Amino acid sequence: RKEVEQDPGPFNVPEGATVAFNCTYSNSASQSFFWYRQDCRKEPKLLMSVYSSGNEDGRFTAQLNRASQYISLLIRDSKLSDSATYLCVVTLMNTGNQFYFGTGTSLTVIP
Amino acid sequence: EAGVTQFPSHSVIEKGQTVTLRCDPISGHDNLYWYRRVMGKEIKFLLHFVKESKQDESGMPNNRFLAERTGGTYSTLKVQPAELEDSGVYFCASSRTDNYGYTFGSGTRLTVV
Repeated sequence: RKEVEQDPGPFNVPEGATVAFNCTYSNSASQSFFWYRQDCRKEPKLLMSVYSSGNEDGRFTAQLNRASQYISLLIRDSKLSDSATYLCVVTLMNTGNQFYFGTGTSLTVIP
Repeated sequence: EAGVTQFPSHSVIEKGQTVTLRCDPISGHDNLYWYRRVMGKEIKFLLHFVKESKQDESGMPNNRFLAERTGGTYSTLKVQPAELEDSGVYFCASSRTDNYGYTFGSGTRLTVV
């Protein structure tokens, strides 16, 4: 069973749209949560950490629901430059800082 | 600050050959990680160094893979002998502390033919 599950998409949205991605994790001992962004043939880059209280960074809002074991990412006012694969990442309490990745959700913002 | 550097960016080798990948972490980062993404799968953990010590190597697929970090600076990952299923993108990452998101290198794309 995978630690992290994501809908692979693809999500194709027009510029200016709002899009939301969800990610579920299987282990209730999951400790830290992140969203990474990966452009084609590039390395993953940290987009934002995810906290139980929710957090916002400009057009991006991340939420964590521990009871339901899911994480969400909301992107408002989509830009062409938001086109990328968004990776959901969790760590577990007893495995140090080892990252467990989802397969990623592909987003294409269309002019 | 300079980022995580990986070399080579691409490598094509024949089955049975040896390949050595190198990673230079961000200066001052004690934690160094190796990950791998094979076609169609998620990125998976291989191992974690703290300075020169292997903290966790539970993700290493088999004994054909050998990672070293002599002196606690750069790290190498050797695959010997390479098999077809070893093809994929190998990412290195580093972090200053062990409880936060880390910085990835641009990866080495390994193709075994």
